[in-house]
Amino acid sequence: DSGVTQTPKHLITATGQRVTLRCSPRSGDLSVYWYQQSLDQGLQFLIQYYNGEERAKGNILERFSAQQFPDLHSELNLSSLELGDSALYFCASSVGGTSNQPQHFGDGTRLSIL
Amino acid sequence: GNSVTQMEGPVTLSEEAFLTINCTYTATGYPSLFWYVQYPGEGLQLLLKATKADDKGSNKGFEATYRKETTSFHLEKGSVQVSDSAVYFCALSDALQGAQKLVFGQGTRLTINP
Repeated sequence: DSGVTQTPKHLITATGQRVTLRCSPRSGDLSVYWYQQSLDQGLQFLIQYYNGEERAKGNILERFSAQQFPDLHSELNLSSLELGDSALYFCASSVGGTSNQPQHFGDGTRLSIL
Repeated sequence: GNSVTQMEGPVTLSEEAFLTINCTYTATGYPSLFWYVQYPGEGLQLLLKATKADDKGSNKGFEATYRKETTSFHLEKGSVQVSDSAVYFCALSDALQGAQKLVFGQGTRLTINP
């Protein structure tokens, strides 16, 4: 058990809809990261938050947004969903945001767009 | 940009065989290097890490040495078990002006037969 909790585990929805994925980091971790895992793109970094502030953006679409709340949990919002958004979305956390600190991953949310 | 290349899978071995999964990287600066493992239906688990040249990471019988001269971080295990069957990801930590993201290889699926 990594200590990172993601909900829900599975989401099935239709094109054009909006969903929210939730992540609770390990106790004491200030950084939260979001990654997308798909068969064609592999594991791609989306965005990082540190103590409530956005730190880095990766290949995140404009239809996607995220935030980190004062209690350090994070949400990833995906809107105007397309078939290609079907993927496994992982949240990870680390104590700080420096390069030698390992990130600890949740079990992911599997999003299926019908 | 920074990148990671892993040996293509899938890899199938018999129990007690020697394992090598090759990983090479391209990076500016001095990234930290990681191996993560993903068991079916689960998130990524940190297997081992190395933060500077010539460091050796080790865990659960797995080892990898950070080789700056060959830009490599190959994963090895002397005697594999059926329970080692999983997908293995090599990753580097890409520091972006105080932020951090992981850049992953494409993953190598390992199957161990009894």
